[in-house]
Amino acid sequence: EDQVTQSPEALRLQEGESSSLNCSYTVSGLRGLFWYRQDPGKGPEFLFTLYSAGEEKEKERLKATLTKKESFLHITAPKPEDSATYLCAVSGGSYIPTFGRGTSLIVHP
Amino acid sequence: DAGVTQSPTHLIKTRGQQVTLRCSPKSGHDTVSWYQQALGQGPQFIFQYYEEEERQRGNFPDRFSGHQFPNYSSELNVNALLLGDSALYLCASSAGQARNEQFFGPGTRLTVL
Repeated sequence: EDQVTQSPEALRLQEGESSSLNCSYTVSGLRGLFWYRQDPGKGPEFLFTLYSAGEEKEKERLKATLTKKESFLHITAPKPEDSATYLCAVSGGSYIPTFGRGTSLIVHP
Repeated sequence: DAGVTQSPTHLIKTRGQQVTLRCSPKSGHDTVSWYQQALGQGPQFIFQYYEEEERQRGNFPDRFSGHQFPNYSSELNVNALLLGDSALYLCASSAGQARNEQFFGPGTRLTVL
């Protein structure tokens, strides 16, 4: 059974204070690892797909990296508008995505 | 270019009732997946439709059923509602059965009293 564990559950940062979110996973035959951003009461917004260990992707202040066991979402110099819940999901041989519970990020001005 | 749309936005039902939720996929997408997201949890996969057939199903009872129409839009039906069915129901669309990059709609908030 595919599993995704995200840590920390919640993270409070000051504006400009860089940090990383962790996504540990077990999956049979990784097809893809996905990062989403979700604002309260809204649907997840797609950020990145990573397919193989060593791959990295960047978008504005966000950078996602992947190893064989975990992925990191690095947030550089965050701003208050980066406050959201960040979800990680993996897709394996069954193609059914398994989501983690998310990390709730609050960035204080 | 319209993204994924869902209706209604909010819905309140009582135990035992039936509900139908609707989803229109992003333009160019032909695959629709439905998810249930309880408060404080990640989305849980319900099922996926492609070419008007259910292709994959998660660990949900038969009370949850769906349909996909020729224009790729989809419905989620839940019968005999339970209090535990209260959640945000999300629709996601993708292009083809690769299903890798899914784009989510805003969701329907279902409250069962």
